[in-house]
Formats: sequence, C-alpha cells, structure tokens
Amino acid sequence: DAKTTQPNSMESNEEEPVHLPCNHSTISGTDYIHWYRQLPSQGPEYVIHGLTSNVNNRMASLAIAEDRKSSTLILHRATLRDAAVYYCILRYGNNNDMRFGAGTRLTVKP
Amino acid sequence: DAEITQSPRHKITETGRQVTLACHQTWNHNNMFWYRQDLGHGLRLIHYSYGVHDTNKGEVSDGYSVSRSNTEDLPLTLESAASSQTSVYFCASGRGSGNTIYFGEGSWLTVV
Repeated sequence: DAKTTQPNSMESNEEEPVHLPCNHSTISGTDYIHWYRQLPSQGPEYVIHGLTSNVNNRMASLAIAEDRKSSTLILHRATLRDAAVYYCILRYGNNNDMRFGAGTRLTVKP
Repeated sequence: DAEITQSPRHKITETGRQVTLACHQTWNHNNMFWYRQDLGHGLRLIHYSYGVHDTNKGEVSDGYSVSRSNTEDLPLTLESAASSQTSVYFCASGRGSGNTIYFGEGSWLTVV
C-alpha cells in the first residue's frame, strides 16, 4: 500500500506562509493526494486534494511534484486558527477508504 | 443543512459490556467509515461501508462490528468492551473515490 511520510512537527509565525511537505514515493497512477487537518478536540476536516496538477482553494494551495512522489500544502498566511495536525493521505486507486498517518503538528506563533 | 452526527458524544462503560455508537448522515452518501484515535496518535480505520448491506474490515477491526441497513446509518458495536478500546471514535461519510469525506465530532468512549 502506498504510504506517506511527513515531518512530525513544524512551526510558523503568524501571517507568514507555511509549506508542509509530504513524501509519497510509492504512489500509484490512480491515487489522489488528499490533505485534511484536525483542530484540537475536533474531527478532521477537508483542506484540499489533487491528482496531478497544482490546486488552489480558499483555504490553501497544493503543489504536486511532476513525478507525483511528493507534494506540498501551502498556507499563504498562517493564522493562529491554522494550528492543527495536518494529514497527507493517499486515496488508494478506486478504493474509498482513507488511511491516516501521524501527520504534521503545526504550531503558529503570534 | 446536511450533516453527520454521532451519539453518544461521551460514554463510560464497564469491561465486557456491549456498546453501540451511532452515526447518522443526511447527505445520502454511499460511503461511511469508522475510525478510532488514541491519545496523541493519528486515526486508524476500523470498518467501512460502500453502500447498504456492504461492510468491510479496516486496519483494526478485531472486537468491532458494523451493519448497514440503510444509507443514513452505520452503527459501530463493541461486542465485549475492553480497556484497550478506550478511545475517541470518529464516523465519516463521503460520495465516491477521490471525493471529500466529512467527519463527525467524535464519540469519547472510556472502558473501565
């Protein structure tokens, strides 16, 4: 099964951009790359997802390497409310289950 | 507004008792999932369902069962609760492959 590797933790200053990396060297051609985040004492929430091309939405941007073996979640201006655990997840081909890793705990300093 | 709800939100039970956690979604999603999250760890998939009468085992299914008799509900049953099953349980639902899944607010279960 394709797995992801993320740093355990990262820090950022408020209002600065944050780049959260994810390695997925064994990704298959039909795997979507999903990012979710989990705020304290809440269920995970969707952030963004993509297949091959870079993606933007109101929350973040997703940059996907040309070989798809890595991706980066970009928060353009971190706020204190962005402090959370960020999960990079691969959706296995046509399967619908999602397997979460340990994620990256983002701390945002004022 | 469509939503996904879990109940109870908090429960304390004794070892050996049967416990059922309810999950109800109003989006008419085919896919539903149950995860557990232990303190300081990521989520682990327990069971999932792709539609009515369909159920599948996830990473940590031992000691748990689910049934899907309609689109809206996927109850999770602990047949004989054990202290190792003390955890936070999250239900989720979604449409198809590649699509977003939506999580409930969690059910905190303590087995004493």
